Amino acid sequence: DGGITQSPKYLFRKEGQNVTLSCEQNLNHDAMYWYRQDPGQGLRLIYYSQIVNDFQKGDIAEGYSVSREKKESFPLTVTSAQKNPTAFYLCASSIAAGRVNEQFFGPGTRLTVL
Amino acid sequence: GNSVTQMEGPVTLSEEAFLTINCTYTATGYPSLFWYVQYPGEGLQLLLKATKADDKGSNKGFEATYRKETTSFHLEKGSVQVSDSAVYFCALSDGTGGFKTIFGAGTRLFVKA
Repeated sequence: DGGITQSPKYLFRKEGQNVTLSCEQNLNHDAMYWYRQDPGQGLRLIYYSQIVNDFQKGDIAEGYSVSREKKESFPLTVTSAQKNPTAFYLCASSIAAGRVNEQFFGPGTRLTVL
Repeated sequence: GNSVTQMEGPVTLSEEAFLTINCTYTATGYPSLFWYVQYPGEGLQLLLKATKADDKGSNKGFEATYRKETTSFHLEKGSVQVSDSAVYFCALSDGTGGFKTIFGAGTRLFVKA
């Protein structure tokens, strides 16, 4: 079955540590996205990538970094510079062609920084 | 720039009640419109979509009509079930800005038995 996987589902880290969240898709989509969701809030875009080896900052990129070395993979690193990293992180992908940009989401990773 | 505004929640209904969640948008071009649903602890999944004016998207008893004259895409369901309890997001995309999708803030729905 095609889809997006995120791992792990729950992640605990100590303050000051960098942590990398995994996102893999087998939908053959060109575009991938990372969102942050805080309790009772909507989605905020962190980074997005339209094609391999290229990515752009979203609305809240500070304290985060990404890479896009393979079409299937778009890992997100939450660095120690991110002041309030505890949140639910969602990865998504889309075909990236035309204006009907339906996004497919992974199940999310809940990060808690202790 | 493009934006989406949806009604604040939470919305609390009894089972079999009629549901409306309002959504209006601002866009310079001709966007496609979407409703996504998020169940507790999960990612979002597409509920329905409409790609041009007067289109009606429908799925699982939910409907929404793309109204260009009122720039609206309200979500409706004739008879809600407890299993419909979730957060609903209205969204638009127009193929610009890196193929980004603009999401509304989400509306939480509680359905009581």
